[in-house]
Amino acid sequence: GQNIDQPTEMTATEGAIVQINCTYQTSGFNGLFWYQQHAGEAPTFLSYNVLDGLEEKGRFSSFLSRSKGYSYLLLKELQMKDSASYLCAVRDENSGNTPLVFGKGTRLSVIA
Amino acid sequence: KAGVTQTPRYLIKTRGQQVTLSCSPISGHRSVSWYQQTPGQGLQFLFEYFSETQRNKGNFPGRFSGRQFSNSRSEMNVSTLELGDSALYLCASSLGATGETQYFGPGTRLLVL
Repeated sequence: GQNIDQPTEMTATEGAIVQINCTYQTSGFNGLFWYQQHAGEAPTFLSYNVLDGLEEKGRFSSFLSRSKGYSYLLLKELQMKDSASYLCAVRDENSGNTPLVFGKGTRLSVIA
Repeated sequence: KAGVTQTPRYLIKTRGQQVTLSCSPISGHRSVSWYQQTPGQGLQFLFEYFSETQRNKGNFPGRFSGRQFSNSRSEMNVSTLELGDSALYLCASSLGATGETQYFGPGTRLLVL
């Protein structure tokens, strides 16, 4: 089976750093994606990890450990506009070009 | 380059009716995936089309169907609507190769009364 777990909600202070964790259990693995979704809008692509390690992109970084089935998204210098849901998605390699399996998302609230 | 477009953006239907949603992918993208998003279940995969062929299918009843045209535009149809079909329907496009990043459209918000 496939299972993606993320915390449901998190709150952090403007200017701070927050880490959003994602654990997954899939029969195969061919990449992990993070998307940001503001309320009422479409998910937008943030990052992609297929090898172990840290990928840094400006204020956002994403880490992957395939052996632990674990990823995190790190947001630095938080801004109010970072208040959104963050979706973790895994591509299961079980059969060819398989679709993404999404977690239910983590709703992040940034407060002053 | 224009993004993924979906029409209509909002729709209200009653139980038993049917609905057709449309998605135009990013120019040059050949794969279109459809997802249903609800507060309780999150994003759930419906199906994926590539070169006019259904390449993958999620665990949804046969009332949910789709197709893709030669210009890569895609439609999904839901027949005999139920209250539980109220959701945001998202379309995502990608170039089509394995592991490609998907880019989402704004979605169609469907309300079934």
